[in-house]
Amino acid sequence: DAGVIQSPRHEVTEMGQEVTLRCKPISGHNSLFWYRQTMMRGLELLIYFNNNVPIDDSGMPEDRFSAKMPNASFSTLKIQPSEPRDSAVYFCASTPTGYLTYNEQFFGPGTRLTVL
Amino acid sequence: DAKTTQPPSMDCAEGRAANLPCNHSTISGNEYVYWYRQIHSQGPQYIIHGLKNNETNEMASLIITEDRKSSTLILPHATLRDTAVYYCIVRAANRDDKIIFGKGTRLHILP
Repeated sequence: DAGVIQSPRHEVTEMGQEVTLRCKPISGHNSLFWYRQTMMRGLELLIYFNNNVPIDDSGMPEDRFSAKMPNASFSTLKIQPSEPRDSAVYFCASTPTGYLTYNEQFFGPGTRLTVL
Repeated sequence: DAKTTQPPSMDCAEGRAANLPCNHSTISGNEYVYWYRQIHSQGPQYIIHGLKNNETNEMASLIITEDRKSSTLILPHATLRDTAVYYCIVRAANRDDKIIFGKGTRLHILP
């Protein structure tokens, strides 16, 4: 298995532009998580999905952020409009079963976003 | 807020055992202790978890005190590739608790 796949690996954009980050979870995993990591705030959970349904989005910082999971093999995190303070590394992770039953989370390599 | 306290950094000589402590004095009876690590420029990687018994796998050993208020992750023979930030996390396995990553311990393996 290729593991969790994220694209792009690096993204540089200008303030005000729309940014879309993509994630392909491990096949057969039915929970997916989006995290953001910065030096100041560490690793923060933004949102997670179970069976393609958003379960908890309380970590999403504001309305500029949105996430979708149209099917079991694909998710997107969109920022519109982007701001310099959104600069961070965004990680996607998946687990084989629901969030309520713990399984180790498998993380992708991350997308490093820079908003100028 | 993270429910755990870890030293911000530690050094360990290559080939020696690395012992990483974690305090979780407010842990509840149904909460597990998990360890992840994050090597530079990579996503976090699961290492091990336990409830109250000591656990061992191919990566590490986890020693949990009898009162469960603290634990130690042991890397038996540290190598340069073990240089990473190590996160200790407390979470119930059957509740809708968020996994909260604290600041972790930055482990430097010295050649």
